[in-house]
Amino acid sequence: KAGVTQTPRYLIKTRGQQVTLSCSPISGHRSVSWYQQTPGQGLQFLFEYFSETQRNKGNFPGRFSGRQFSNSRSEMNVSTLELGDSALYLCASSSTGDGRTQYFGPGTRLTVL
Amino acid sequence: GENVEQHPSTLSVQEGDSAVIKCTYSDSASNYFPWYKQELGKRPQLIIDIRSNVGEKKDQRIAVTLNKTAKHFSLHITETQPEDSAVYFCAASITGSGNTGKLIFGQGTTLQVKP
Repeated sequence: KAGVTQTPRYLIKTRGQQVTLSCSPISGHRSVSWYQQTPGQGLQFLFEYFSETQRNKGNFPGRFSGRQFSNSRSEMNVSTLELGDSALYLCASSSTGDGRTQYFGPGTRLTVL
Repeated sequence: GENVEQHPSTLSVQEGDSAVIKCTYSDSASNYFPWYKQELGKRPQLIIDIRSNVGEKKDQRIAVTLNKTAKHFSLHITETQPEDSAVYFCAASITGSGNTGKLIFGQGTTLQVKP
């Protein structure tokens, strides 16, 4: 099976702009979780989607949002970008959808100037 | 709130030696504990995981132990090789209804294996 894929791999934006990142899970996986990875804060959970519904959300401001489509592909959106949003954004898919056995994508490296 | 503490932050060993990384979790309801290895510029890869009904799990040179009473779990790598050099993350999760898709990660341990 093909692994988790994410597009784009790299992105450069300026403050105030918005960005949309995409994640395609492993075929058959219905759960997609998103994480932010930074050197200072490590890996932090953003939210999780299952069957097009957000089931869990981390402690991030409302500027961070997401959605999931009927084919399980997921997108996350960050509006009004801030310098501190520069990070590697990782998505992970799971077949069980209960928090176990998550497989990560390669990530999208977002730089905010 | 939920928290996972990981130690040490860096670890340097000679090839062939063993390496041990320790994690402590705060939420006693946690019942699933995966370990991920992340090489530079690569995605985190699941290397081993353990559920709370098991005290130890081994996979070739890698083993994980869990002490539910003390709320800590450890990764043991034996006969280390240079290709084991990477950042290792522990994580904890509460699986089941209402707690979905959320892994709480430790801060990571940079392991360097010297040839």
